[in-house]
Amino acid sequence: DAGVTQSPTHLIKTRGQQVTLRCSPKSGHDTVSWYQQALGQGPQFIFQYYEEEERQRGNFPDRFSGHQFPNYSSELNVNALLLGDSALYLCASSYPPSAASGYTFGSGTRLTVV
Amino acid sequence: KQEVTQIPAALSVPEGENLVLNCSFTDSAIYNLQWFRQDPGKGLTSLLLIQSSQREQTSGRLNASLDKSSGRSTLYIAASQPGDSATYLCAVRGDTDKLIFGTGTRLQVFP
Repeated sequence: DAGVTQSPTHLIKTRGQQVTLRCSPKSGHDTVSWYQQALGQGPQFIFQYYEEEERQRGNFPDRFSGHQFPNYSSELNVNALLLGDSALYLCASSYPPSAASGYTFGSGTRLTVV
Repeated sequence: KQEVTQIPAALSVPEGENLVLNCSFTDSAIYNLQWFRQDPGKGLTSLLLIQSSQREQTSGRLNASLDKSSGRSTLYIAASQPGDSATYLCAVRGDTDKLIFGTGTRLQVFP
């Protein structure tokens, strides 16, 4: 049973460019969340998608946007890249919330902005 | 606003020691708490999930406890091994259905 799959693994972009990261959730999971993890910090919540809609959003600017497809896979788009956007981007999938359901994370995409 | 704190920030111990990692959170209204392991530059591996109604969970040499009323969880690692070296993160899930993470405990176990 495949877990959460993210692509690409690594990415180098120039300041001002745009980037798209991709995520396929674990089989049977319908909710996808994106997190940003700066070096030495815990992951920070970006936004969450359920039934192809953005259900909630963290404290990130509108340059960060996303999409969820009918097969539950998701994309994270970042426009007008800044040096500070360099981080590990993690995708997590889950069932609808309950005390028994946890999150499964992918291996992440390392984005470097130069 | 939920805040999660982990202490210590870093820990270096010889192989074989029993360890306790601490996690505290400010809002006791949580669905569950998850402990994760993260190897350098890698994603998160779930170790244990404790539901809000539970007191503890065990998996092999790992035991996690939860005291929701006091806003605390501990991860106990028995007989530590060099392969346990990693960063350990705790995260709480509340009614907003997002995870709030601590900054982690970086563990090094030397032979």
